This record gives sequence, C-alpha cells and structure tokens, in this order.
Amino acid sequence: SAVISQKPSRDICQRGTSLTIQCQVDSQVTMMFWYRQQPGQSLTLIATANQGSEATYESGFVIDKFPISRPNLTFSTLTVSNMSPEDSSIYLCSVDGQGEETQYFGPGTRLLVL
Amino acid sequence: AQSVTQPDIHITVSEGASLELRCNYSYGATPYLFWYVQSPGQGLQLLLKYFSGDTLVQGIKGFEAEFKRSQSSFNLRKPSVHWSDAAEYFCAVGAGGADGLTFGKGTHLIIQP
Repeated sequence: SAVISQKPSRDICQRGTSLTIQCQVDSQVTMMFWYRQQPGQSLTLIATANQGSEATYESGFVIDKFPISRPNLTFSTLTVSNMSPEDSSIYLCSVDGQGEETQYFGPGTRLLVL
Repeated sequence: AQSVTQPDIHITVSEGASLELRCNYSYGATPYLFWYVQSPGQGLQLLLKYFSGDTLVQGIKGFEAEFKRSQSSFNLRKPSVHWSDAAEYFCAVGAGGADGLTFGKGTHLIIQP
C-alpha cells in the first residue's frame, strides 16, 4: 500500500482566512480523493482529483470554496477558503492503490476555525 | 444512490469476548465493500475488503467479514477482542477505481476490562 503524508497535521485558523492542505504520496497514483470528517461524523467525499484535469466535486461542494490542485502523480493540495467555524473538521486525502481497487488514507489534517 | 447503514452507534464488549459489527448497504451494482478502523487521533486503516469470490474474507488484526448478497450485509466479526481494538469502525461501499467511497456513520467500539 502507498505511504501518504499530509501537512499540516493540525491547525487553528481565524474565520475569513484560507488554509492549504498538502497531500504527498510515496508512489505515482492515478486518482487522489479528498474527504471531510466533521466532528463526530462520518467521512464525506469532497472531490476527486485526477492529474492533468480539473477536479470533480461532489454535490454540496464547490471549487470556489475548496479549490484543488493536482500538479503531478504524487501530490495534491486542498484549500479551504474563507473559513468559518463550520469548516472545523478533519480533512483526509486518499489514493487508489494501483490495481487494487482500494483506497488508502492519509493521517488527516485537523482544522479548528475560531 | 448508494448508501451504507451501520445501525449500532456504540457497542461495548468485554475483553476476550466475540464481536460483530453490522453493516447494510444499498448499491445498484456489484459493490466493492470495505471496513476501515480509525483509532483516536489517527487516520483510517483498511481492515479488509470484498470484491468477489469467497464471501468470507479475512483481514488484518484477526478480523473477518461475511458478504451476504440476499441481506445486503457485510458484517465484521472478531472471535476475541483485545483492549487495543477500541476504536471507530467504518463500513464503506464503492464502485472501485476512480470512484470515491460512501461511508456509514461508524460504530464506536468500547472494550471493557
């Protein structure tokens, strides 16, 4: 399975600001995914990022609020823009295990917005 | 639309006792099914998965799960739990490949000494 790292691991931010979360994988992968886990809740898919194309967003998530970059096959960023306390969540990236039809997750970024 | 139901929000089990966590899914095609575990402050770790073939699948840490198409279920079991199994357990369904996963709400497992 791939080894996935995320930066930052946690952050406390002021409302109205933006935070960019990085996701790095130790091998080349086709698809990367971004999920949100609100406090005490399950995971919800934000978007799917394929290298070389625009990210595909799920219903309820928009590019202006959650812009995503995927510059190469090992890296992606998710920006949480114009943050409000409701954005306080854990943000996780995952990757498809090549040929395994399985997703492996990073450790997550714990975000608190004041 | 696909969905996953984990009917038990919390389960308390004595150490050494057996465990079964329930998962029911709704999916229009042949599902790819997964169980993940999330320990406090950690990311998600894959326990096991089912795509096809033998409906009883073995995973890591002594866990197993059984796929029952007629009941749309994919229950997770362990014959004897350890205190270190205390965590949040998520069942998920997907189509594989480029598709994201749909997760259940999770079951919080508490282990009593």
